[in-house]
Amino acid sequence: EAQVTQNPRYLITVTGKKLTVTCSQNMNHEYMSWYRQDPGLGLRQIYYSMNVEVTDKGDVPEGYKVSRKEKRNFPLILESPSPNQTSLYFCASTQGIGTYEQYFGPGTRLTVT
Amino acid sequence: SQQGEEDPQALSIQEGENATMNCSYKTSINNLQWYRQNSGRGLVHLILIRSNEREKHSGRLRVTLDTSKKSSSLLITASRAADTASYFCATVPSGNTPLVFGKGTRLSVIA
Repeated sequence: EAQVTQNPRYLITVTGKKLTVTCSQNMNHEYMSWYRQDPGLGLRQIYYSMNVEVTDKGDVPEGYKVSRKEKRNFPLILESPSPNQTSLYFCASTQGIGTYEQYFGPGTRLTVT
Repeated sequence: SQQGEEDPQALSIQEGENATMNCSYKTSINNLQWYRQNSGRGLVHLILIRSNEREKHSGRLRVTLDTSKKSSSLLITASRAADTASYFCATVPSGNTPLVFGKGTRLSVIA
């Protein structure tokens, strides 16, 4: 089954404790991205990657890091989480940037206290 | 930078009625896509309409695109309680740039 998986689905952590949210897709997609969703603000793109070892900033990259060492995986790293990073995070992948539908993961609800 | 703006922000209708949601955007686009999100879950792609298309159908969904007005509409006919969700338009600006989402319309279909 074609899918995007994310782990963990729920995470409560404390300020400053490094964390990684994993994302994996099994569709051989080249393009992957991370979004955060906040009430009243919709979805905002954090980072995206057009291929292995190619990443670029989205609209709200501050406080986040990503890496793309393999085509299927695109982890999101919060080196020093802060309460304003409490949000619902989605990973997505697509066959090609902009011209194809995006497949979304189930989401990771992060709370930083 | 959010380009799409959905209207209305929230819509409540009775089962069996039609639901219409609108999306306006600011710059020229390659294509426009509509997604659906059930509460707290991942988005699911509904339909994609290219800039040279004016109308597209998929089951009970009808999407129109007016590039001169920079607007699109999503019509769901004969709505069902299961259509209750948030609906987002997403635009692909001209050029090789990522998808940009609007803030969504929350649709409630009352049985």
